[in-house]
Amino acid sequence: GQNIDQPTEMTATEGAIVQINCTYQTSGFNGLFWYQQHAGEAPTFLSYNVLDGLEEKGRFSSFLSRSKGYSYLLLKELQMKDSASYLCAVSPGANNLFFGTGTRLTVIP
Amino acid sequence: EAGVAQSPRYKIIEKRQSVAFWCNPISGHATLYWYQQILGQGPKLLIQFQNNGVVDDSQLPKDRFSAERLKGVDSTLKIQPAKLEDSAVYLCASSLLLNTDTQYFGPGTRLTVL
Repeated sequence: GQNIDQPTEMTATEGAIVQINCTYQTSGFNGLFWYQQHAGEAPTFLSYNVLDGLEEKGRFSSFLSRSKGYSYLLLKELQMKDSASYLCAVSPGANNLFFGTGTRLTVIP
Repeated sequence: EAGVAQSPRYKIIEKRQSVAFWCNPISGHATLYWYQQILGQGPKLLIQFQNNGVVDDSQLPKDRFSAERLKGVDSTLKIQPAKLEDSAVYLCASSLLLNTDTQYFGPGTRLTVL
């Protein structure tokens, strides 16, 4: 079976750095995705990791440790518009994505 | 490049009625997915098509849900009859290839069953 754990809610201050953690147990592993979802909108792709290490893309970075079944999304220089849900998703095999329940991030002034 | 299109955006029906959702994927994307997202949860895959063939429908409640992608382009998802617990956002996504290619999501259809 598949299981993904991530915190339900987080709050951070504008301009700060926040790290959203994700741990997973899957029957197979073919990559890990992070998606951003604003309230009432569709998820949008943020990052993809298949090898261990850090992937940096502007203010967002994503890290993966396959041996630990662990990933995190790092958001720097937080802006108000970063308030959203952040979904961790794992591809357990060749075909599809298994999503976590998401972490709702609130950025406060 | 146009994104994934879905219609309608909102639908309210009474239980035991039927409803259909439509999705047009990004041009050239061979793989199409339907997800159900209940409030406060992550999307759950219902069915996945590769061109006009079903790749995975293991989580589709086949007694009431059906989906087709007859010409390998747009797709419809139907619920008949609807239950209260079907209230959710139905998201359509597409990707260029199978496997771990990035999925692009449409705006979704918010279904309320009364």
